[in-house]
Amino acid sequence: DIVMTQSPDSLAVSLGERATINCKSSQSVLYSSNNKNYLAWYQQKPGQPPKLLIYWASTRESGVPDRFSGSGSGTDFTLTISSLQAEDVAVYYCQQYYSTATFGPGTKVDIK
Amino acid sequence: QITLKESGPTLVKPTQTLTLTCTFSGFSLSTSGVGVGWIRQPPGKALEWLALIYWNDDKRYSPSLKSRLTITKDTSKNQVVLTMTNMDPVDTATYYCAHRQGIAAAGIGVFDYWGQGTLVTVSS
Repeated sequence: DIVMTQSPDSLAVSLGERATINCKSSQSVLYSSNNKNYLAWYQQKPGQPPKLLIYWASTRESGVPDRFSGSGSGTDFTLTISSLQAEDVAVYYCQQYYSTATFGPGTKVDIK
Repeated sequence: QITLKESGPTLVKPTQTLTLTCTFSGFSLSTSGVGVGWIRQPPGKALEWLALIYWNDDKRYSPSLKSRLTITKDTSKNQVVLTMTNMDPVDTATYYCAHRQGIAAAGIGVFDYWGQGTLVTVSS
């Protein structure tokens, strides 16, 4: 199994400031034949199911605000919220789909 | 629009078999590329992918749970059923079914529509 780790476990950011979440896979999730990283990001608010934010490591899902961006390749990935809004308080998960599917442990984002 | 809803028992006893049904609308599981997956989340913990069934009846399972899981579909009823045998208290979780997104449709893929989930408690 590919093991996903995330850092930090939690972070508190002031409104309007940048939030950065890291995700690391135990092996590369870059598929050489199409040069795509099989990595997605989800947002989960309390009492709600997860919401897909980003797939292929950097492609925003339709309707997701452009303050959310994904980057990285191979084994190291980042989700950035460029200007944190109150509605962004949530737990964020990365997911690899290169080999079956596994999720990271989550990163909780709060307002400072 | 696409909707999914999970149904099944809220309480099962240890060693029993859990059967969950996902009833969906807004898409057909006979359309090429479509899939429905199951993901669970123990209280306060992370997500865990369990199984996926594709439009062509191909199935994939979590390697760690493969021996306990069976996923089936009834296209005419727009339903997907997950069974999990030999339930244990550590299987207590909210169980979600979700629609496999059609753009990043590689391997298991990603999930763009989710049900609200159903909490299953395993206790004697």
